[in-house]
Parts: sequence; structure tokens; C-alpha cells
Amino acid sequence: EAQVTQNPRYLITVTGKKLTVTCSQNMNHEYMSWYRQDPGLGLRQIYYSMNVEVTDKGDVPEGYKVSRKEKRNFPLILESPSPNQTSLYFCASRLRTGLTEAFFGQGTRLTVV
Amino acid sequence: SQQGEEDPQALSIQEGENATMNCSYKTSINNLQWYRQNSGRGLVHLILIRSNEREKHSGRLRVTLDTSKKSSSLLITASRAADTASYFCATTSSGGSYIPTFGRGTSLIVHP
Repeated sequence: EAQVTQNPRYLITVTGKKLTVTCSQNMNHEYMSWYRQDPGLGLRQIYYSMNVEVTDKGDVPEGYKVSRKEKRNFPLILESPSPNQTSLYFCASRLRTGLTEAFFGQGTRLTVV
Repeated sequence: SQQGEEDPQALSIQEGENATMNCSYKTSINNLQWYRQNSGRGLVHLILIRSNEREKHSGRLRVTLDTSKKSSSLLITASRAADTASYFCATTSSGGSYIPTFGRGTSLIVHP
């Protein structure tokens, strides 16, 4: 089954404790991206990757890091989480052509206290 | 920056009525997509319309695109309570990264 898998689904952590949210897709998609969703703000893009070892900043990259060592995986790293990073996070992937839909993971609800 | 902006922000209708949501965007696009999100869940793709298309249908969904006005509309006909969700438009810019840029969404409530 074609899917994007995020882990964990829920996470409560403390300020400053490094964490990683994993994202994996099984569709051989070139493009992957991370979004955060906050009430009243919709989905905002954090980082995206157009292929292995190619990443770029989205609209709200501060406080986040990503890596794309393999085509299927695109982890989101918070080196020193802060309360303002409490949010619902989504990973998405898409074929390179841009003429097809994006597939989304089920989301990771992160709370930083 | 967010490319698409949906209107209205919230819409409440009775089952059986039609629901219309609009999306405006700022720059030239390659295509525009509509997604649906049930509360707290991942987004599900509904329909994609290319910049050279003006109208597209899928079941009870009808999407129009007016590139001269930089706007799109999503019409859900004969709505059902199960259509209750948030709806987002997403654009892919011409010559861009092909990563969709989303608006803030329209929250649709369909009362049984």
C-alpha cells in the first residue's frame, strides 16, 4: 500500500531536549516536505527536498533541521525544541513531475513544555 | 509565504445543500489542487486542475479555475454530514519546486 509513515504520532517533550520525527515513503517519490499546522495559520512549509542530498528552506525553517540521505526517508530534527514549536506536523511526498497529488502522513502532534 | 487563500474561513450548511469554497492565489501556477482534512488527520487529495484547464469534475466535486483572476472554486453538490472537514487549496508555482503551498483552509460543517 502506497503510504507516507510518520513516527511518532504523539510526543510530549521538554524544552531543549533534542528530538527527531521520522518520515518514510514507499512510493519512490523524489520530492518530500515538512509542514506545520497551527490554528488559524493553515499549513506552513518548514523544509523540502527535491532529491537525495538536496534540501531547501521553506517558509518557517528556524529551529528545524532535515536530512535526505536516502530517497525514502526525510527526518525532521529539532535540536533544541521550544514551546513555540508545539504544533501538528505533517510530512508529504510527491513525484518529481509536479503534476500529481502530494501524499501526506497522518501527522505528529508535538507538545513542548 | 502562503500562496492560496480560501474563502470563507468557515461554512455551515444543511445536508443536501451545495457547498462552495473559493481560493485565490498570487503568482502564476503550474496546477492547483484541493485537499480535504478530517479533524487532526492527514490531508487527502481530492482533485488537481492544471493551469490550462478551466473546469474539472470528480463525483460530487466540481472545480473551476480562472487564471486571469488567479482564483479557483470547489463546489460540493448534495452535501452529506460525512463531508464535514477542512478543505485546503494548494498551488504549485510555475518553475518552482513542485512542493505545494497551502492556504489556511475552509472549515465546512454539514448538519444532518
